[in-house]
Amino acid sequence: KQEVTQIPAALSVPEGENLVLNCSFTDSAIYNLQWFRQDPGKGLTSLLLIQSSQREQTSGRLNASLDKSSGRSTLYIAASQPGDSATYLCAVPLSSNTGKLIFGQGTTLQVKP
Amino acid sequence: GAGVSQSPSNKVTEKGKDVELRCDPISGHTALYWYRQRLGQGLEFLIYFQGNSAPDKSGLPSDRFSAERTGESVSTLTIQRTQQEDSAVYLCASSSGSGTYNEQFFGPGTRLTVL
Repeated sequence: KQEVTQIPAALSVPEGENLVLNCSFTDSAIYNLQWFRQDPGKGLTSLLLIQSSQREQTSGRLNASLDKSSGRSTLYIAASQPGDSATYLCAVPLSSNTGKLIFGQGTTLQVKP
Repeated sequence: GAGVSQSPSNKVTEKGKDVELRCDPISGHTALYWYRQRLGQGLEFLIYFQGNSAPDKSGLPSDRFSAERTGESVSTLTIQRTQQEDSAVYLCASSSGSGTYNEQFFGPGTRLTVL
């Protein structure tokens, strides 16, 4: 059974700091991994999707890496800003037949000005 | 169209009443998903539609929950005889294809409160 874990559950950093969020999954036979951002009371915003054949994806100040063999992904945020404050979720598809996602519990990030 | 839209954004109902939640996916997206997020908990998969195929209902928590989708457009999630434990944010997502390779885009959610 696939399980997704995110550590830490919460993180507080000063503005400008570079930071890394961690995501681990128990079944390494994944097809992709998706990182999302969720602001309080809002839906999810897709940040990055890494296919299983890729090692990393970049979008602006965000860089996501994927190591299938070790069951881990990291989301690197460079030069953090107060506007980055949100909950970050990672998710993997449950099976090969559908795209239904299994989510981690999320890491709540606070960037202090 | 723009993104995935959902309505209503908030719904307060009394225990025992039926509610209907609506999702409009991104135009052209063939796959549609419903998830539930209860307070302090992670997202749970509820149901998945792909084109004209039979929906995957494996995540529905009870027979009080049902969902329909008309072709590749609007979907409605219906909860009958609501209970307090149904209180949650219900999120809808769509993607451009079936299966595991396609990025999912989420709507803003419907916050359901059952009194």
